[in-house]
Amino acid sequence: GENVEQHPSTLSVQEGDSAVIKCTYSDSASNYFPWYKQELGKGPQLIIDIRSNVGEKKDQRIAVTLNKTAKHFSLHITETQPEDSAVYFCAANSNTGGFKTIFGAGTRLFVKA
Amino acid sequence: DAGVTQSPTHLIKTRGQQVTLRCSPKSGHDTVSWYQQALGQGPQFIFQYYEEEERQRGNFPDRFSGHQFPNYSSELNVNALLLGDSALYLCASSLVDRDYGYTFGSGTRLTVV
Repeated sequence: GENVEQHPSTLSVQEGDSAVIKCTYSDSASNYFPWYKQELGKGPQLIIDIRSNVGEKKDQRIAVTLNKTAKHFSLHITETQPEDSAVYFCAANSNTGGFKTIFGAGTRLFVKA
Repeated sequence: DAGVTQSPTHLIKTRGQQVTLRCSPKSGHDTVSWYQQALGQGPQFIFQYYEEEERQRGNFPDRFSGHQFPNYSSELNVNALLLGDSALYLCASSLVDRDYGYTFGSGTRLTVV
């Protein structure tokens, strides 16, 4: 069945450094890849997404890359700030296999001041 | 503009009981998806509702059922509660076939004792 694997499970960086989170997906029909940030006591919040016809997308300090051949996609956060500390989830969606979005297990990011 | 509203925020139930969780989608959204998030894990897809019908279902037993009303709000019902049903239940709304990105509520924390 569909699966999304996410690494690492925990990531600790110094303020100002970059953070990279990597995911792989199994369903070759997946065509939409959102990233969500979840802060304590809140629901996940969509922070950036990428579609299968695009290789890279950037929004200020956040960028996502997609390698469809390898079924890999990554989140890059530059110039990290303490408020970036949260759990980040990658996800994959296919509207051919159904309408559900499959989530990775999450990466807990700590940004040390 | 109100986002996704879920009620109640916290709930404690006894094994074998039944529970109903409620969700009001973001204004303008017509599709509601329900997810279960165990502690330290990613959200797991339960089912999605559109036009008052269950559009797709994840790997959850029939004890989990739902409903969508004409105003797009939704309920999640769980019968014969098990200890393993303890989790954060998230409701996510979206606009069918035009916006794959979800808007999540803050969730209902269900504890089964």
